[in-house]
Amino acid sequence: GESVGLHLPTLSVQEGDNSIINCAYSNSASDYFIWYKQESGKGPQFIIDIRSNMDKRQGQRVTVLLNKTVKHLSLQIAATQPGDSAVYFCAELNKWNTGNQFYFGTGTSLTVIP
Amino acid sequence: ETGVTQTPRHLVMGMTNKKSLKCEQHLGHNAMYWYKQSAKKPLELMFVYNFKEQTENNSVPSRFSPECPNSSHLFLHLHTLQPEDSALYLCASSLNRDSPLHFGNGTRLTVT
Repeated sequence: GESVGLHLPTLSVQEGDNSIINCAYSNSASDYFIWYKQESGKGPQFIIDIRSNMDKRQGQRVTVLLNKTVKHLSLQIAATQPGDSAVYFCAELNKWNTGNQFYFGTGTSLTVIP
Repeated sequence: ETGVTQTPRHLVMGMTNKKSLKCEQHLGHNAMYWYKQSAKKPLELMFVYNFKEQTENNSVPSRFSPECPNSSHLFLHLHTLQPEDSALYLCASSLNRDSPLHFGNGTRLTVT
């Protein structure tokens, strides 16, 4: 099956700085990607998504960039706050004959230093 | 509030026990899922129900038995589990099979 991976397992940033979390995917046919945030003791929470017909999408303080050429996805968080401390996952949607399925990376743990 | 409610939040059970995990969503979604989350591993899809019909069983051992009585409720029945089954079990729902997943906060299961 296809896999999604993250370049760095942990990331520490100073409060107020920008954060960049990276993700590599291997299925060039994937056309839908999602970033999730998982805080301690909670389930993953949707942050932002992007389809393959776009290379950039912005939300509130977050931007997702998609580079289909090198199969790379990144999540940028502007002015990182202590509440951003969490594990971040990227997910890609694979389409099989049996049905669509999201594949998740192992996650990057973001720690914000006050 | 995520819209997907899981109970119990924590469960400790012996290897000979039988217990059930419950998931409920009132988001009007048609698909429901069970995932297993273990430390330092990607989320593992266990079961998928679409319009109450089980569409996928990803080679999950028979000691895990799902049940979907209606499109809003999903159960995971557990019996004779092993210590390596200890993990966070997450329920999710989505409008359809290519829509974003909405997760519950999970049940932390410990098998002793």
